[in-house]
Formats: sequence, structure tokens, C-alpha cells
Amino acid sequence: KQEVTQIPAALSVPEGENLVLNCSFTDSAIYNLQWFRQDPGKGLTSLLLIQSSQREQTSGRLNASLDKSSGRSTLYIAASQPGDSATYLCAVRSGGTSYGKLTFGQGTILTVHP
Amino acid sequence: EAQVTQNPRYLITVTGKKLTVTCSQNMNHEYMSWYRQDPGLGLRQIYYSMNVEVTDKGDVPEGYKVSRKEKRNFPLILESPSPNQTSLYFCASSLDLTAGELFFGEGSRLTVL
Repeated sequence: KQEVTQIPAALSVPEGENLVLNCSFTDSAIYNLQWFRQDPGKGLTSLLLIQSSQREQTSGRLNASLDKSSGRSTLYIAASQPGDSATYLCAVRSGGTSYGKLTFGQGTILTVHP
Repeated sequence: EAQVTQNPRYLITVTGKKLTVTCSQNMNHEYMSWYRQDPGLGLRQIYYSMNVEVTDKGDVPEGYKVSRKEKRNFPLILESPSPNQTSLYFCASSLDLTAGELFFGEGSRLTVL
């Protein structure tokens, strides 16, 4: 069974810092990995999607990497802003015997203070 | 506008009273799925569907039913709700299973008394 872990559980940084969020998964038989942000009481907004054949994806100040063989992904946020404060979730789409299933990590609560 | 629409957004009901949460997408997506989000447990997949008439269980399917009679709709049915089904529910869809970005609805907050 796929298990997804996110570290750290919470992170508080001053505005302007560069930061890294980590996501690890136990089964490398995946189709893709997706990073989301969730604001309190809201739905999930997709940030980046990395296919299993890709190493990284970039969108603006965000960069996500994937190392499938070691079961790890990182989300790098450059020059953080207070508006980046949210919960960040990674989700893994499994292949193999878990075909079709999506497993989420518990999330990292990010606070960026002015 | 491309979107996933859930209804109702908020619902308070009583134990045993059947209810349906509807989910509709306007993007002609093949893959649709349901999740529940609970404090300390995160988001867990309930059911998913890879196409019309094709559904499968996720990690927490007990107490739920789904159907996929049309491509755009994927309702979640609670035949006899219980208090442990009090949760925040999300529907999501993607173009297909392997490559598509997942789009989420706004969520449905359900309370079962």
C-alpha cells in the first residue's frame, strides 16, 4: 500500500526566504505526482504536476522535482510572500496493483510572516 | 469556465437518512474521484471512476456508494449515514488516469447528527 509522508508538518519563515517542502512515497510504481495548495476552508488548487518520466517542473516561483527511484519529491518556493501562507499537499497517483488510486500526504502548513 | 461543481456545499442531516452529494464536471474528463478530509487523517480516497460504468474502491469505501452513468456526473451516495461520516468531502476529475492534472471541487461539509 502506498504511503506518502510530508516533512516538515509546519514551517514558519520570514518573507523573502527561499524554502523547500519535502514529500516521500514508499512505492515507486507511480504515474505522476502533483503538488497542491489548500487555503483554510477551501478546496485544493493544483500547483504543479510531474509525470513519472520527468525530473522537474517549474511555474513562476515554484519548482518541483521528482526522484522516482528514491521515492522523493521536493517543492521549492523562491522569495516567499505572505500570500504563500497555506497548506501544501503532495499526492501520488499509483500504478501497478494500486492502479487508479491517489494517495495524499498529510501536508505542510506554511506561514510566511511579513 | 472549466470547473468541478459539488452540491450541496453544506448539509446537516440525521443518522440513517439517505443522502446524495452530486458532482459534475464540464471538462469531458474520464477520471473522477471522491475524497474525504478529516483532521489528523488528511485526504483519503473513497471511490474513483476511470470512465462511464467503471468504478473502483479507494482506501475508505465503507458506507458509501457511487455510480457513473454519464461522463460528467459522479454522485456520492450515503445510504444510511452515521456520525463517523461527518467530514469534508471533495470531488475531483482529470482528463485521464495517467497524465491529467487533477481539478477539485470546492468541497461539501457534511454533518451527521
